[in-house]
Formats: sequence, C-alpha cells, structure tokens
Amino acid sequence: DTAVSQTPKYLVTQMGNDKSIKCEQNLGHDTMYWYKQDSKKFLKIMFSYNNKELIINETVPNRFSPKSPDKAHLNLHINSLELGDSAVYFCASSQPGRRLFFGEGSRLTVL
Amino acid sequence: ELKVEQNPLFLSMQEGKNYTIYCNYSTTSDRLYWYRQDPGKSLESLFVLLSNGAVKQEGRLMASLDTKARLSTLHITAAVHDLSATYFCAVDITGNQFYFGTGTSLTVIP
Repeated sequence: DTAVSQTPKYLVTQMGNDKSIKCEQNLGHDTMYWYKQDSKKFLKIMFSYNNKELIINETVPNRFSPKSPDKAHLNLHINSLELGDSAVYFCASSQPGRRLFFGEGSRLTVL
Repeated sequence: ELKVEQNPLFLSMQEGKNYTIYCNYSTTSDRLYWYRQDPGKSLESLFVLLSNGAVKQEGRLMASLDTKARLSTLHITAAVHDLSATYFCAVDITGNQFYFGTGTSLTVIP
C-alpha cells in the first residue's frame, strides 16, 4: 500500500497543452502539498491544503490550479504549459507539526 | 522572505572521512527536518528535530539543532559509498508550512 501516490509518473507534452497530475494519500493526514523540483534540485513549495482549504499559495502563475475534492486527494492542473514548467512535481502530506511524506514524483517534460 | 541555505551545495569526500553539512534559516522555528533523496527517487525522512539542542543519530549520521543560532548540522562519520545522495533540510514555521534548503549533493569516493 503506497502512502502517497501520484499519477502519472511521467508526462511528455507540447507547449500550450493542458495537463493534470493526481495525488492521493491513505495516511489520514489533514494537510497536502505540491512541491516543484527543478533541474538544480531546488524544492519549492507551490500549494498547501488543509482539510480541503487552500492555506499556502506561493507565487505560482495562475496557470497552475490545485483542486482538493476531499482530504485524501489533491490534484494539480496546469494550463498552457511552458518550457519552464518542465520539472518534477512532488505531492506530499503531513499531520500538523509532523514530518512530510512524499509521493514518488511526476516528471513533466514540456517540448 | 524565508531563506533556508545549506552549505556546501556539493560535497565530494573519501570513504572513511568525516564531514558536516550546515543548514541556516532566516526565521524563528523550532522544527527542523532532514531528508535524503537518491537520484531519480523521492525524498525520505531522516531526522525530526523538534526543540533547541535536539540531537538525533542514526548509523553514521547525526543531526543537531540550535534554534537560537537558527542552525542545524548533519554530521557524517566515516563516510561510506551508500551515503551518496542529496540531503535537504526543511524548516516548518507553522506546523504545516515546510520550506526546504538548497540541498547538498554528497558523493562518497572509494
């Protein structure tokens, strides 16, 4: 049983397309996150949801739209993809004051 | 703006040697985490440091936290090849807001 699972693992797409990444956690955690890891391995927080409510929205272009249908799911939709969006996107979850559990990552390549 | 800086960014060390990775952060926090990432893989939790003066050890790795200096260290003792990976510190400032350091890419050479 994977604790935090993301799909798909790999996406290759053309500039201008729209894509989604799904994330599910079965740990019963209240908070879920999206992180972006660029080619230099820098990890940047993008969004954080607590019990389906957005609590962090770092300076991310509004082409990125997170959606949390319930506490166990946090999806990421990206419109009008650009070359600079190529990265690995990690979903994570946690309980308050506890460590993060990460998914396996979704590698997005924009051509 | 919160800054979490690690030093060094790249570290190449010989097997058997000792070294320390430093993590400095710019805001008040008493929760600091260390993670390991192998190439092409996800992040794995190593240590959770929850108070000033906290020290945790696992095998050849030891982590400590000085909240007054806003500094955490990850000390490697007698490095072995299996420790080659990228190490990240992360500061949690509200209980669910994690900001990661720049990462330290460690290569242990036989």
